[in-house]
This record gives sequence, structure tokens and C-alpha cells, in this order.
Amino acid sequence: QQQVKQSPQSLIVQKGGISIINCAYENTAFDYFPWYQQFPGKGPALLIAIRPDVSEKKEGRFTISFNKSAKQFSLHIMDSQPGDSATYFCAASDSTLTFGKGTMLLVSP
Amino acid sequence: GAVVSQHPSWVICKSGTSVKIECRSLDFQATTMFWYRQFPKQSLMLMATSNEGSKATYEQGVEKDKFLINHASLTLSTLTVTSAHPEDSSFYICSARDPRGGYGYTFGSGTRLTVV
Repeated sequence: QQQVKQSPQSLIVQKGGISIINCAYENTAFDYFPWYQQFPGKGPALLIAIRPDVSEKKEGRFTISFNKSAKQFSLHIMDSQPGDSATYFCAASDSTLTFGKGTMLLVSP
Repeated sequence: GAVVSQHPSWVICKSGTSVKIECRSLDFQATTMFWYRQFPKQSLMLMATSNEGSKATYEQGVEKDKFLINHASLTLSTLTVTSAHPEDSSFYICSARDPRGGYGYTFGSGTRLTVV
């Protein structure tokens, strides 16, 4: 059973555009929702994270929106750059991290 | 910030041999570390939770006799792939949670294992 559903599977955005990735979860025990960025051959790196008592968190060009009642959260990347091209994973945690399936983002120059 | 070092970054071994992968927390003590496996273009799948001074907790379907985990100190966990076979070829990644940083998990850079 997939506990964290992520979409889209892949995404192409023009430079300067907004990239939006969505995730949904079922387990109401999750209390920490991070987003990770992964480049090929590297481990995932934490981008930004949110707790369920907050509806939005912004760090630079990255924003998490969180809807507790809908059990959904999303990542917005503003002013997307070619260097943002990577795979992005949402995750949710109670005592361990459960990952979504990932989104391959390509930002075209 | 919290740093997790993983070694080696890549390894090639012959079928039937064993390979050890090390995961170290460099600037914090980690009572718990996590081991993940990632196949190409797929997500990270939790294999086991490594607990300092006690036995690891394995996820369903993970062979504990094939993937031996030892967490002998607060800064070191090791994963040994025993009697490796080509189907064990994968990207193995460790993670630890810095108790100073709230809920954050830090990941190592991963180990690419190729069994030939």
C-alpha cells in the first residue's frame, strides 16, 4: 500500500516558470512532511519541510503548501532554473520516513 | 548542520562475496540510523532501522540474513550484503536523524553496488 502518493511522475517547465508537485497521504499519524531533491548518483538532500500545524512555509524560491483536512501538500518552485532539474521526492514521517515515488523535473533553458 | 558520511561511494564485487558499507554521523550522535535501497528511476525503500546497541528492525520482505546491520557506536552503522548476487545490485543510502535538529533526517551520499 502506497502511503504517500506523488504526482506528476515527470514535469517539464520553462526557465523562469513555476514548478508544482503534489503529494497526498492517508496516515494521520504523520507529523513531519519534508521534500527532498536528488541528483543522479547522489543521496537525497533536504529542501524544505513542514509540520501539520502550519499551512504554508517558504524558503527562498521553494514553498510548501499544506492542507491538513485534505491530507495533501505540495511543493512550488518559483522562477525555476535549469539547475533545479533533478528528481524531487515528497515524504512523510511518523517514526520513519515514507517516500513518494518521485517527480523528475526538467527545466528547459 | 548535520553531516552523514557514507563509504564507499561505489563498489563492484563478484557474485558470492560480501560487501560492507559504512555510514557515519560526523557531527552528531545517532542512536538510530536508517538504510534504504533505491533502484534506477525508483523511490527510496526503507530496508531497516538500525539501533545503537541492539538488533536492527527490518522491513517486511527484507532478508535479515542477507543484509546484516551492525550499529556498534553512536556514530557508525554498517550494512553488509552477504553472498551478493547480481539482483542485489542497487543504490544503498543511509540516513540519520540529528536529535538537535527537530525532525530532520540527513542522508548519506549513497553507495552504488554492482555485483558481477
